[in-house]
Amino acid sequence: NAGVTQTPKFRVLKTGQSMTLLCAQDMNHEYMYWYRQDPGMGLRLIHYSVGEGTTAKGEVPDGYNVSRLKKQNFLLGLESAAPSQTSVYFCASRSTILSTDTQYFGPGTRLTVL
Amino acid sequence: DAKTTQPNSMESNEEEPVHLPCNHSTISGTDYIHWYRQLPSQGPEYVIHGLTSNVNNRMASLAIAEDRKSSTLILHRATLRDAAVYYCILRGIPSNTGKLIFGQGTTLQVKP
Repeated sequence: NAGVTQTPKFRVLKTGQSMTLLCAQDMNHEYMYWYRQDPGMGLRLIHYSVGEGTTAKGEVPDGYNVSRLKKQNFLLGLESAAPSQTSVYFCASRSTILSTDTQYFGPGTRLTVL
Repeated sequence: DAKTTQPNSMESNEEEPVHLPCNHSTISGTDYIHWYRQLPSQGPEYVIHGLTSNVNNRMASLAIAEDRKSSTLILHRATLRDAAVYYCILRGIPSNTGKLIFGQGTTLQVKP
C-alpha cells in the first residue's frame, strides 16, 4: 500500500500560470481533502470530496478548483497562480468506518509562486 | 466546531515522559478528541482519539478529564523522533464531511 501520494513534490510558478496538483490514494477511501499550510500555521481546508463526482468548498476555496472524476484521485487546480498561493499543499483521505474515522495525509507539495 | 487551546511549545528530555495538554471547555457531548502530529517536512499523522475513557495505543496514551473540558496526550518515553507539532482537534460524530480544523498546535522539542 502506497497510502496517499502527491505529485509533484515541488513546483515553482510565475504569477498567472496555471497548474494541477494530483493526489492519489489506494485505500479505497470515499472522502478526500485538500489543505494548505502557510509557514508557522496549522492546516486550512481548501476543498473536499465525499465521493466520486462530488466536491465541496472548505475554509479557503478562492482561487482553486477541484475535480474527483475517479474515486482514487483528487485534483487541485490553480487557474491563475498568485504569490498568496505560495504554500505547502497536503492531500488527505479518510475511511468512513466509524470506529477509525482518521485521515491519512500525503507528503505534501511545496509550491512557490513568484 | 468547538475550539481547543494548546501551549505554543514544550520541551522534553529524551527517554522521559511528556504530557501535552489541551483545553476544550466548550466541547459538546458528541465531540471526539483527536490528536495528530506533524513531523518536520511531513504531512500530519494520526496519533490517537477518544470520547470519554482514557485510551492507549502503541504511539501514546490519551487521558481525558472527567468533565471532558481538557485532555492530555502522554508520550511515555520521548525519543528524538517525537519532535513534532502536536494538534488537538475536536470532531463531532456523526459527520458527513469529516473535516478537521487545525489550530497552531504545540511544538514539542526533545533534547538528547
